[in-house]
Amino acid sequence: DTGVSQDPRHKITKRGQNVTFRCDPISEHNRLYWYRQTLGQGPEFLTYFQNEAQLEKSRLLSDRFSAERPKGSFSTLEIQRTEQGDSAMYLCASSLDGQGLNSPLHFGNGTRLTVT
Amino acid sequence: QKEVEQNSGPLSVPEGAIASLNCTYSDRGSQSFFWYRQYSGKSPELIMFIYSNGDKEDGRFTAQLNKASQYVSLLIRDSQPSDSATYLCAVKPYIPTFGRGTSLIVHP
Repeated sequence: DTGVSQDPRHKITKRGQNVTFRCDPISEHNRLYWYRQTLGQGPEFLTYFQNEAQLEKSRLLSDRFSAERPKGSFSTLEIQRTEQGDSAMYLCASSLDGQGLNSPLHFGNGTRLTVT
Repeated sequence: QKEVEQNSGPLSVPEGAIASLNCTYSDRGSQSFFWYRQYSGKSPELIMFIYSNGDKEDGRFTAQLNKASQYVSLLIRDSQPSDSATYLCAVKPYIPTFGRGTSLIVHP
């Protein structure tokens, strides 16, 4: 168990640019989640995958955000035309769920995005 | 109405005391409950999970769940300065939903 890995750890970008983050979940976990967290708030759900299928997206997720999980392994989160309000910590988490299992989320170290 | 409510604090306790952190939730269908610790600038770290009514103990930590009252709590015994962090409550009816966290300060 090598844990959840996220890359990059920090990203500084200018408003209007596109950014992409990567997450590698714990290998035997079938669910992968993306959350966003701003200062003083708890993690806010963005989207999640079960294997390669994206099963739910938050209503708060604008169409500038897109996520993929090809082949049910790693996942990418892309933000197009970034805005200053996108500045936050982007957290990836994975879990093993289904068939009577209901495991906790295990988080990666996060990607801190700063939009200038 | 926010789905998971926590007092943002800060909760300040002396070293060696018991810290009591509370969380209420709105979805009666919730089945799984988690407590995470988050140090400043770091990602959340799982401390405890509880699925059934009652108490669950792990070392200095005790999670308490009362589904009828829609209430879950975390007790930290013999609090240490290293316990100073934000404690996040997460509730899972389907997708884990987090409260805003309670800041705990343990002073020597």
